[in-house]
Amino acid sequence: DVVMTQSPLSLPVTLGQPASISCRSSQSLVYSDGNTYLHWFQQRPGQSPRRLIYKVSNRDSGVPDRFSGSGSGTDFTLKISRVEAEDVGVYYCMQGRHWPWTFGQGTKVEIK
Amino acid sequence: EVRLVESGGGLLQPGGSLRLSCAVSGFTFSDYWMTWVRQAPGKGLECVAHIKQDGTEKYYVDSVEGRFTISRDNAKNSLFLQMDSLRVEDTAVYYCGRDRWGAGMVDFWGQGTLVTVSS
Repeated sequence: DVVMTQSPLSLPVTLGQPASISCRSSQSLVYSDGNTYLHWFQQRPGQSPRRLIYKVSNRDSGVPDRFSGSGSGTDFTLKISRVEAEDVGVYYCMQGRHWPWTFGQGTKVEIK
Repeated sequence: EVRLVESGGGLLQPGGSLRLSCAVSGFTFSDYWMTWVRQAPGKGLECVAHIKQDGTEKYYVDSVEGRFTISRDNAKNSLFLQMDSLRVEDTAVYYCGRDRWGAGMVDFWGQGTLVTVSS
């Protein structure tokens, strides 16, 4: 199975400051169609996961533009330009290139 | 409004069986791949099973292969997960999710249903 490795696993952030989460895959996530199937999900406390970003850098409808995704091949990053209180939760990267799809361990974002 | 509502969870002993359901509304069910993802208490997310729009392709994670069966009824806008030979390690919240393209791009999730396997 493809191993997804996130860092850091815990991320205390001051309100209004930026945050960055790294995600690395053990295999390339590029498919023959040219797409890279790496997605980001947010799970707020007590809630179901919510997709934020799909195919590396495409932000979902309704997701604030302070969230952005980047990367290629096996190295990816989720950035929050200015953290707000509602951003508290656990963030997961997930690969959809190789079955079984696999998630990173999750990064817990909290406010300092 | 897109809705996915799971049901069927509960408490049961190892070796038992359970059938989870996911009732959907607000979108054309037959246009989407559907996925079951689980989350053990305090743990991360794990994709369990995935099914194509017409049910002709099904995929399972190794840990449930041969014990779980994913199915769907497009006429009734429903997704199912038959879980047999349950183990303690199957204890988790089970979420259903829709995926338009079958590449992990689950864009809507249900609220989840808790399955607890304990003696």
